[in-house]
Formats: sequence, structure tokens, C-alpha cells
Amino acid sequence: GAVVSQHPSRVICKSGTSVKIECRSLDFQATTMFWYRQFPKQSLMLMATSNEGSKATYEQGVEKDKFLINHASLTLSTLTVTSAHPEDSSFYICSWTSGTYNEQFFGPGTRLTVL
Amino acid sequence: GDSVTQMEGPVTLSEEAFLTINCTYTATGYPSLFWYVQYPGEGLQLLLKATKADDKGSNKGFEATYRKETTSFHLEKGSVQVSDSAVYFCALTVTGGGNKLTFGTGTQLKVEL
Repeated sequence: GAVVSQHPSRVICKSGTSVKIECRSLDFQATTMFWYRQFPKQSLMLMATSNEGSKATYEQGVEKDKFLINHASLTLSTLTVTSAHPEDSSFYICSWTSGTYNEQFFGPGTRLTVL
Repeated sequence: GDSVTQMEGPVTLSEEAFLTINCTYTATGYPSLFWYVQYPGEGLQLLLKATKADDKGSNKGFEATYRKETTSFHLEKGSVQVSDSAVYFCALTVTGGGNKLTFGTGTQLKVEL
């Protein structure tokens, strides 16, 4: 299966700062990526879907100006949480897919804590 | 719309016990079905999958059979180990859906000695 990395694995920041999370596909070119957030003991909530070179499509209730997604290339996507607040503290997980596969490949996740 | 329903947890078992985690689904198209596992503090790993009716997915002693007549994809393992303690998610994608996953709520499994 494909290998997906996320960086950083954990980040702690002060309220009001912005945090960037990177998601990389290490061994295949991924055309579509997904960003999820997961609250403790809950399922994954899809935040947005994006295709390389296109703007992300955000799920209902997700603020696109707060969660900026840049799908820079077929191997790199970034999620920037702007002006983070304590309620943004969560586990953020990315995943990739492409037309070659009928499944998603998940990153290991990033734990964001906003003080 | 599409949805996945899993049995609520936590499920607590003794080592070497038999495991069943129930999963049923509704789908607007023809789904592919998945089980993912999440160990504490980690992302999701694909455990097994099945893409058409009567297919059986299997991996690491876990099995699940795609039952179209009952719209189910129950996860089973004959003898669980402490290392199987994790959260298990049932999920589906439908053809033409861009591989977008619909997840169940997850079932926590705790295996004790």
C-alpha cells in the first residue's frame, strides 16, 4: 500500500497563532486528497476534498477561511489552521487516493493542542 | 444517502476469545466495504476490504464477508490478542463517488489477559 506521512505529529500553540500541517505521499502520485478531524472517542469527520491544482471542496459547516488547504502537487498537501483557538484542538488526519486505486491511504495524524 | 452503522463499544474480551463487531450499511450505489483499525494516537490503517457481494476480506486473522442480502460486513476474529486492542471503523465507498469514504462511528476493542 501507499505510504503517507504527516508533519508534525504533534503541535502545541498559543491561541491566535496559525499552524501548518503537511501531508506527503511518499511513493505514488495522488490526484485527490482528503482532510479529516477527529475528536476524542469519535469517528472521523471529513473536512474537505481537493484535487491537485484545484480549490478544495469543503464540507458543510467547515470554514474555508479558517482551514486553508493547499494541494501544491501530486505529493504534497498542506492544511493551515489560521488564528487557532482551543476549540480547534483535535486530531487531524489526511488521506490520499488516485484513479489507480479504489481506496484511501491515510497519514498517521497530527495532534493539535491550542492553549 | 450513504451510511454505516456499527455496534457501540467498548467491547471488552479476554485474550483468545472470539470477536464479532457488527456492521451494516445503506448505500445509494454499489459499495466497496472496508474495515480500518486505529491504534492509540495513530492514524487509520486498512485492515481488510471487499469490493463485491460474497467476497471475503481477510488479514491478520480478521475476516469479513460482504453480504448484500443483509447489507452487512461483520468483522470476526477467532482468537483475539491484547495487541488487537484498538478502535475499528467500518466504512464504504460507492462507485463514482471519488473514493469518498463514509465511516461508521467506530468500535473500541479492549482485550485483557
